[in-house]
Amino acid sequence: AQSVTQLDSHVSVSEGTPVLLRCNYSSSYSPSLFWYVQHPNKGLQLLLKYTSAATLVKGINGFEAEFKKSETSFHLTKPSAHMSDAAEYFCVVSDPLSGGYNKLIFGAGTRLAVHP
Amino acid sequence: EAGVAQSPRYKIIEKRQSVAFWCNPISGHATLYWYQQILGQGPKLLIQFQNNGVVDDSQLPKDRFSAERLKGVDSTLKIQPAKLEDSAVYLCASSFQGVPADTQYFGPGTRLTVL
Repeated sequence: AQSVTQLDSHVSVSEGTPVLLRCNYSSSYSPSLFWYVQHPNKGLQLLLKYTSAATLVKGINGFEAEFKKSETSFHLTKPSAHMSDAAEYFCVVSDPLSGGYNKLIFGAGTRLAVHP
Repeated sequence: EAGVAQSPRYKIIEKRQSVAFWCNPISGHATLYWYQQILGQGPKLLIQFQNNGVVDDSQLPKDRFSAERLKGVDSTLKIQPAKLEDSAVYLCASSFQGVPADTQYFGPGTRLTVL
């Protein structure tokens, strides 16, 4: 069965330093992978998605993620953190063989804190 | 373009009472999803509609939860009777077609507290 593991429940960085949020996936087929962000009291927003095209995916607000099949990883990075990046981040997998046309499986989330 | 609308934003009820949530998806989106997000966890799919038909309700507790999508547009999710463990944020999302890798757009959610 498909699953997603976010390796860190909390990450704390200083403003202006790099961000790394780690995600490993398990899928029986070639997956589609997503990163969503959730700011307090706001809806989930798509940051980026991988759909078997380029392995390095660029998203909004300077975020990017690299799909590494050999490591079954899809880590999210940003060169320089901004205070407004503080939020909850979810790694998500969509497995076309999971039943349902577009069933998303969410990780448990990583809370990113950004300090001045 | 208007986003996914949900109401109410907050609801507090006693256990064993009933409650209903409403969702209006993005215009033209064929697929509608309801998720449950318990505090500290990622969202979990409850039910998925393609137009007005159910595609996946394998994780919907059917003894107490029900959902419908009349005319393939708006949807309501109902809980009757509510239990303490139903306290969560209920998220509605929609996508254009519902095919794999189709982007899902989420509403702001309804925060339910069951006392």
